Amino acid sequence: NAGVMQNPRHLVRRRGQEARLRCSPMKGHSHVYWYRQLPEEGLKFMVYLQKENIIDESGMPKERFSAEFPKEGPSILRIQQVVRGDSAAYFCASSPRTGDRYEQYFGPGTRLTVT
Amino acid sequence: DQQVKQNSPSLSVQEGRISILNCDYTNSMFDYFLWYKKYPAEGPTFLISISSIKDKNEDGRFTVFLNKSAKHLSLHIVPSQPGDSAVYFCAASANKLTFGKGTLLTVNP
Repeated sequence: NAGVMQNPRHLVRRRGQEARLRCSPMKGHSHVYWYRQLPEEGLKFMVYLQKENIIDESGMPKERFSAEFPKEGPSILRIQQVVRGDSAAYFCASSPRTGDRYEQYFGPGTRLTVT
Repeated sequence: DQQVKQNSPSLSVQEGRISILNCDYTNSMFDYFLWYKKYPAEGPTFLISISSIKDKNEDGRFTVFLNKSAKHLSLHIVPSQPGDSAVYFCAASANKLTFGKGTLLTVNP
């Protein structure tokens, strides 16, 4: 059973370009979470999605950031018009269920560098 | 406002001894706590968890203790091994995970 897959592992973008980060959850998992880790910081929750639904986007910046988890295919985190402050590691996690008792399984992350 | 705090950025321990990693939280709504381990250039790996109705959970060399009145939890690793060297994140859940900043554990041979 393959783990959570993320690609690309490393992404370099110039200021103003768009970044697209992809996440394929573990087989059988229908809940996807995105986190951002800035240098010397812990992981910060961004968004929680189920298939075709955004459940909680309270951690997403109001502008330039969007996420989707379509019926078919991976979850996508999209950052438009990137700025240097967007440089970070972005981790995706999946879980088979939601509720009070669950563990999330993380992918290896995408390291975004904005030049 | 940091709701989950790991006040020690780093900890160094001799192989075979006990490692104790600490975590404090402020939000009384948290009812489930987890520890994750992270190697460089990899995603966090789930280690052990504890529900707020318990005060201890043990899994092999790893034990997590929860003191609800003090809003404090700790992870004990006994005996520590060099392969345990990693960053350890404490996380707490109400309806989503809130992570601490992590503690870098170094186990010296």
